[in-house]
Amino acid sequence: EAGVTQFPSHSVIEKGQTVTLRCDPISGHDNLYWYRRVMGKEIKFLLHFVKESKQDESGMPNNRFLAERTGGTYSTLKVQPAELEDSGVYFCASSLGETQYFGPGTRLLVL
Amino acid sequence: AQSVTQLDSHVSVSEGTPVLLRCNYSSSYSPSLFWYVQHPNKGLQLLLKYTSAATLVKGINGFEAEFKKSETSFHLTKPSAHMSDAAEYFCVVRPNSGYALNFGKGTSLLVTP
Repeated sequence: EAGVTQFPSHSVIEKGQTVTLRCDPISGHDNLYWYRRVMGKEIKFLLHFVKESKQDESGMPNNRFLAERTGGTYSTLKVQPAELEDSGVYFCASSLGETQYFGPGTRLLVL
Repeated sequence: AQSVTQLDSHVSVSEGTPVLLRCNYSSSYSPSLFWYVQHPNKGLQLLLKYTSAATLVKGINGFEAEFKKSETSFHLTKPSAHMSDAAEYFCVVRPNSGYALNFGKGTSLLVTP
């Protein structure tokens, strides 16, 4: 069974540009989560989808971040416009129940 | 709020010696606790989880953790370190309400020959 996949694995963009990260959860997992780790900090929760609905978006830092999960399958996280402090690793996870399974992450560098 | 504190940012052991990675939690209720591991350039992998069924939890790759309510601890141990254990380890708590995981800052484990 395929695990959680994320694309791209790395992204380097300039401040002010837009970047879209994609996450494909494990097939059949209704729950999908986004987390991020900025340099030197702990991994922080961003938001949680149940199917296509946002269940909890309390961790989204500001309105430059937009997450979608159309059709309840894959999800995208768009950052527009990107700022320097958005640099970090963005993780996606999915679950059926309590245990969350993580993808390899997308390493984002904003210059 | 439920949180975890990893007491060491870096731990170095010799191959074949025991591993101890320390984690304390803060919770008003019986928490769900996890240990995840991240090898270089890899994703987060679940090592083990505690959900109140048994205080001693066995995980993958010979790791185990003991839930001690009196000490509010959930330390990760392994009797004998392998070179392949070198990675970053995260202690994680899931609050009783919601699914958002709260991560510790991570402990980098170095295994020397």
